[in-house]
Amino acid sequence: KQEVTQIPAALSVPEGENLVLNCSFTDSAIYNLQWFRQDPGKGLTSLLLIQSSQREQTSGRLNASLDKSSGRSTLYIAASQPGDSATYLCAVLLSSGSARQLTFGSGTQLTVLP
Amino acid sequence: DAGVIQSPRHEVTEMGQEVTLRCKPISGHDYLFWYRQTMMRGLELLIYFNNNVPIDDSGMPEDRFSAKMPNASFSTLKIQPSEPRDSAVYFCASSLKQGDSNQPQHFGDGTRLSIL
Repeated sequence: KQEVTQIPAALSVPEGENLVLNCSFTDSAIYNLQWFRQDPGKGLTSLLLIQSSQREQTSGRLNASLDKSSGRSTLYIAASQPGDSATYLCAVLLSSGSARQLTFGSGTQLTVLP
Repeated sequence: DAGVIQSPRHEVTEMGQEVTLRCKPISGHDYLFWYRQTMMRGLELLIYFNNNVPIDDSGMPEDRFSAKMPNASFSTLKIQPSEPRDSAVYFCASSLKQGDSNQPQHFGDGTRLSIL
């Protein structure tokens, strides 16, 4: 069974700092990996999606990397802003059989202090 | 473009009552997913549909839970009878065909369910 772990569970940084969020997964047979952002009382917003054949994806100040063989992904946020405060979740899409379900990590709660 | 629309946003009811959660996916999306989020267990997939057909319902916790998708633009998740341990935020998500594996799932804002 696929397990997804995110470390740390919570992170607080001053504004302007660059930071890295970590995600690890136990089964490397994945189709893709997604990073989501969740604001309080809201649903999930997809930030970046990396296919299993890719090493990284970039969107603005965000950069996500994927090392499938080691079962790891990182989300790099450059020049953090208070508006980046949210919970960040990673999720992997399995490639076995006909299943198309995402397995989520428990998230990292990020607070960027002004 | 309208995103995934869920209703109601909040539901408070007494145990034993029937609860129906509703979802309108993004137009043109082939897949629809129902998730449940709790502090203890995080986000869990309950069931998903492809072209209105249930594909995997192994995440549905018990027979009190049922889901339907009568057409491409509407799905319901029903709990009957409801119990306090069903209290959670229930999310609906939709995505385009995932055959090429590069289509993200788009989530609604969720229904916060409280069973007293």
